[in-house]
Amino acid sequence: QPVLTQSSSASASLGSSVKLTCTLSSGHSSNLIAWHQQQPGKAPRFLMKIEGSGSYNKGSGVPDRFSGSSSGADRYLTISNLQSEDEADYYCETPDSNTRVFGGGTKLTVL
Amino acid sequence: EVQLVESGGGLVQPGGSLRLSCAASGFTFSSYSMNWVRQAPGKGLEWVSYISHTGSPTDYADSVRGRFTISRDSAKNSLYLQMNSLRDEDTAVYYCAKDEGYCRGASCFRWFVNWGQGTLVTVSS
Repeated sequence: QPVLTQSSSASASLGSSVKLTCTLSSGHSSNLIAWHQQQPGKAPRFLMKIEGSGSYNKGSGVPDRFSGSSSGADRYLTISNLQSEDEADYYCETPDSNTRVFGGGTKLTVL
Repeated sequence: EVQLVESGGGLVQPGGSLRLSCAASGFTFSSYSMNWVRQAPGKGLEWVSYISHTGSPTDYADSVRGRFTISRDSAKNSLYLQMNSLRDEDTAVYYCAKDEGYCRGASCFRWFVNWGQGTLVTVSS
């Protein structure tokens, strides 16, 4: 079963950029992943799906400030021009047959 | 617009049962596989169960296998989770989540593309 590793926390200043990383375990480096955002007290929201090739597809209404990329086993979520509403928990997810695996989540603080 | 609305959560004693429902609208329910995902207080997301667009196959996390049963009723555009033999550690907000995906050869790849607002289940004496 794949394992997804995320840093527990990240911080960046208002208006700056931040790059969050989700790392796939050995043997699963070609897996697609999806990024989800969970603002405080709210349900998760789908942001984008990223293939191993680096191509990504965003969800409806996701701002252009959000982009995705890939390198080897790493999948990245880059947020540009950080806004206060970007302060949230970010989770990555990957399929394993009919099951699903989540990373532990990254808590992003906007300074 | 896709809408997923969970209901049925509440306070239940250890060993008790509860049935969650998820009412779906804004898409052709019978064409999509669905899932339940939970989040214990202050913790991360945990996938719980999957059901295909036809109702079979289904799959479960090891932590709930044998105690929880997922089902769906396409005539009612609804997803269900029957939870039996509940334990303290089942306390969580339960979300229903709609899949998106594609198949390549014999393999299919899915990800969550829509989430409900969640329903809180509290297991406590």
